[in-house]
Amino acid sequence: AQSVTQPDIHITVSEGASLELRCNYSYGATPYLFWYVQSPGQGLQLLLKYFSGDTLVQGIKGFEAEFKRSQSSFNLRKPSVHWSDAAEYFCAVEVFSGGYNKLIFGAGTRLAVHP
Amino acid sequence: ETGVTQSPTHLIKTRGQQVTLRCSSQSGHNTVSWYQQALGQGPQFIFQYYREEENGRGNFPPRFSGLQFPNYSSELNVNALELDDSALYLCASSSNLRDGNTGELFFGEGSRLTVL
Repeated sequence: AQSVTQPDIHITVSEGASLELRCNYSYGATPYLFWYVQSPGQGLQLLLKYFSGDTLVQGIKGFEAEFKRSQSSFNLRKPSVHWSDAAEYFCAVEVFSGGYNKLIFGAGTRLAVHP
Repeated sequence: ETGVTQSPTHLIKTRGQQVTLRCSSQSGHNTVSWYQQALGQGPQFIFQYYREEENGRGNFPPRFSGLQFPNYSSELNVNALELDDSALYLCASSSNLRDGNTGELFFGEGSRLTVL
């Protein structure tokens, strides 16, 4: 069955520190992978996506993610975190079935940033 | 902003009532998907509409139903509300895979439903 696991429920970092959010997926075919960010009371904003090609993908707000097929991982990174990055982050895999597509999301990682 | 608009933004209902949530898709998109996000969880796929028909469905009971209109906007209806239906309901629009597109989803801000 397809699934996405985000092992870290909460992460706290200091402003200016580096960040890595972990994501592992289970999917039988070549995955299409996404990272979304959600601020309190808001919808989902797409940070970046991986469809194919270069395994290191760049996104908005200085984020990047690396696809590692051997580890079934798609970890999100940022070299220097800003206070405004405090939010919830969701990893997702796109599943195709019977002519329609859907996203399967992880449970999310809540990021807190200390000044 | 994605161009996907949802209404209402917040609403409160009591158990057993019915609710209708609305979504206007982004210009050029003909497919609408609905997701339920319970507190502290990731969004879960409810169903997808394409050409005014249900195109795919997740693991939700029949009291969750939908409509898509000729202008591609959509409604989510939930009957016989239960306390566990309290959640953020997200709408996403896209072009459709069957039209040769990637099907990339663009999300609205959501409708937050509280069931008392």
